[in-house]
Amino acid sequence: GAVVSQHPSWVICKSGTSVKIECRSLDFQATTMFWYRQFPKQSLMLMATSNEGSKATYEQGVEKDKFLINHASLTLSTLTVTSAHPEDSSFYICSARAYRGGETQYFGPGTRLLVL
Amino acid sequence: AQRVTQPEKLLSVFKGAPVELKCNYSYSGSPELFWYVQYSRQRLQLLLRHISRESIKGFTADLNKGETSFHLKKPFAQEEDSAMYYCALSGDGGSQGNLIFGKGTKLSVKP
Repeated sequence: GAVVSQHPSWVICKSGTSVKIECRSLDFQATTMFWYRQFPKQSLMLMATSNEGSKATYEQGVEKDKFLINHASLTLSTLTVTSAHPEDSSFYICSARAYRGGETQYFGPGTRLLVL
Repeated sequence: AQRVTQPEKLLSVFKGAPVELKCNYSYSGSPELFWYVQYSRQRLQLLLRHISRESIKGFTADLNKGETSFHLKKPFAQEEDSAMYYCALSGDGGSQGNLIFGKGTKLSVKP
């Protein structure tokens, strides 16, 4: 149990376009999901906390107008990279919080974004 | 400032040898510490957390508040232990609401 999926697994887009990434909790409800970004050979950096039914909380330095987060249901959060540029190319990972013998984050497989 | 430090980018050991992945943290309150593992081509998954005080896949980790460390240990490494290991800290009273990750240590277990 506690499976998190992401779609798409990879995407290539042109500079200036917008890209939407979906994060779904498949077998549990998640009021809180998290979005991370990982550059090559670096650690995960939290971008924002997505709360169902309310606005996301962004980490310092993350542009909320650039990275739009919507958490409209208990099983789905979306991250939209607006007007993507090559520097937005990265690996985006989501996680969902669940209670399994204690509070635990379950991670999705990640989405690799390449902006040309 | 909250910070997690994993000093080794790569740790290479032979099968059957003991392994210790180091993790030091900086936090003013009472943090909860975790170890996450990422096997090749798989997603990040929780290995263990300090409050559980349990052994998972032969790994243990003890929180040392005096040394602000949470090193991951296994007495006899196996080839299948080869993976990327991340130490993480949560300062929200134990909630995983805000995980801070170290840079990770790649463990390579040679036959």
